[in-house]
Amino acid sequence: DAGITQSPRHKVTETGTPVTLRCHQTENHRYMYWYRQDPGHGLRLIHYSYGVKDTDKGEVSDGYSVSRSKTEDFLLTLESATSSQTSVYFCAISDNADTQYFGPGTRLTVL
Amino acid sequence: AQSVTQLGSHVSVSEGALVLLRCNYSSSVPPYLFWYVQYPNQGLQLLLKYTTGATLVKGINGFEAEFKKSETSFHLTKPSAHMSDAAEYFCAVSDTGGTSYGKLTFGQGTILTVHP
Repeated sequence: DAGITQSPRHKVTETGTPVTLRCHQTENHRYMYWYRQDPGHGLRLIHYSYGVKDTDKGEVSDGYSVSRSKTEDFLLTLESATSSQTSVYFCAISDNADTQYFGPGTRLTVL
Repeated sequence: AQSVTQLGSHVSVSEGALVLLRCNYSSSVPPYLFWYVQYPNQGLQLLLKYTTGATLVKGINGFEAEFKKSETSFHLTKPSAHMSDAAEYFCAVSDTGGTSYGKLTFGQGTILTVHP
């Protein structure tokens, strides 16, 4: 998986609690992305980063925030989790905004 | 705005038969096009990509795809299916320039089943 790890790999939480997912890369790639995968929707972009402290919204960013304080880490935070945020979350990285390489995913269940 | 349509959410073939997974896209600028494969409980793996140049691109595991601008298509094919090809396949498009930062727009996915 091109030197990408995601943690945790599985998480069950309750509605209203904060959740932070971590993506860590060892490739020194500039670009990082968070997607969510839901049946029938493929993958949809939540947020992305084009450098340290440089982030922007994707198509489904409501309810999510991100931070990137160093090149290797990109954090996705659900400030107050809702059941609609139950999903599988994938991180991806890219060196030149050409090809993206994906992590193994985090399965999040919000009860 | 970009969009991707994969025709057929499920495709079933016999082992040894031709695999054809269809993908049509819309983009206001020359696109980069990708096919990814996802095996159960795993992340996405790049199969192949088209950026510029030759419109017929070859990927891993014997797959290939042809970029047809006039048809706005990027269909994925493999001459002879193997049982190990059973997976979900995603077509994706990104803008080639501007401030897109390589953001991908994905199709809904096609689950390929291979029968003995």
